[in-house]
Amino acid sequence: ETGVTQSPTHLIKTRGQQVTLRCSSQSGHNTVSWYQQALGQGPQFIFQYYREEENGRGNFPPRFSGLQFPNYSSELNVNALELDDSALYLCASGLVAGPRAGELFFGEGSRLTVL
Amino acid sequence: EDQVTQSPEALRLQEGESSSLNCSYTVSGLRGLFWYRQDPGKGPEFLFTLYSAGEEKEKERLKATLTKKESFLHITAPKPEDSATYLCAVLVYGGSQGNLIFGKGTKLSVKP
Repeated sequence: ETGVTQSPTHLIKTRGQQVTLRCSSQSGHNTVSWYQQALGQGPQFIFQYYREEENGRGNFPPRFSGLQFPNYSSELNVNALELDDSALYLCASGLVAGPRAGELFFGEGSRLTVL
Repeated sequence: EDQVTQSPEALRLQEGESSSLNCSYTVSGLRGLFWYRQDPGKGPEFLFTLYSAGEEKEKERLKATLTKKESFLHITAPKPEDSATYLCAVLVYGGSQGNLIFGKGTKLSVKP
């Protein structure tokens, strides 16, 4: 059983640029969520995808967007980067129903630095 | 507004010195409470899920308990390898299953 994998692990961008982060879900999981974690803070929910559609969104602007593919892999896209977007971006997969619904398994994250 | 508060922010223990971490929550309807461990620069690692008041879960030196307003993570005879940030999160009714509301965490340091 493979876990959640994310790429790239680290990247540096400049303000105004665009970034794409990628995630492969744990096998057997059908939903993927993305979180932003600033230094010293808990993760904050960006959005969730299920059946290739957005299935819930946190308090993040539209320049944060995503995709889920038929193989349950996922992308997070951020346009017009701002300095405050510097953070660890976490991908998490899980099941949308059943006794373990809500239990999320996280990847190692992508550390984004915006200069 | 749904909210999770963890205390203390940081805790230093000597090896073998047992203690507890607190997670208090104010939510509209609790669907589940989750504990995670996070090592520096890594993603959170799932530890426990608790669903109803009175429930307890154990794993090695860790024991999680739940009341109607808070959860405790008890650490018995900790070892240096238990050093990490422990995160508490809640899932509420009415939200998507992937929307966990996290606290800021408790950073635990265990000295040999």
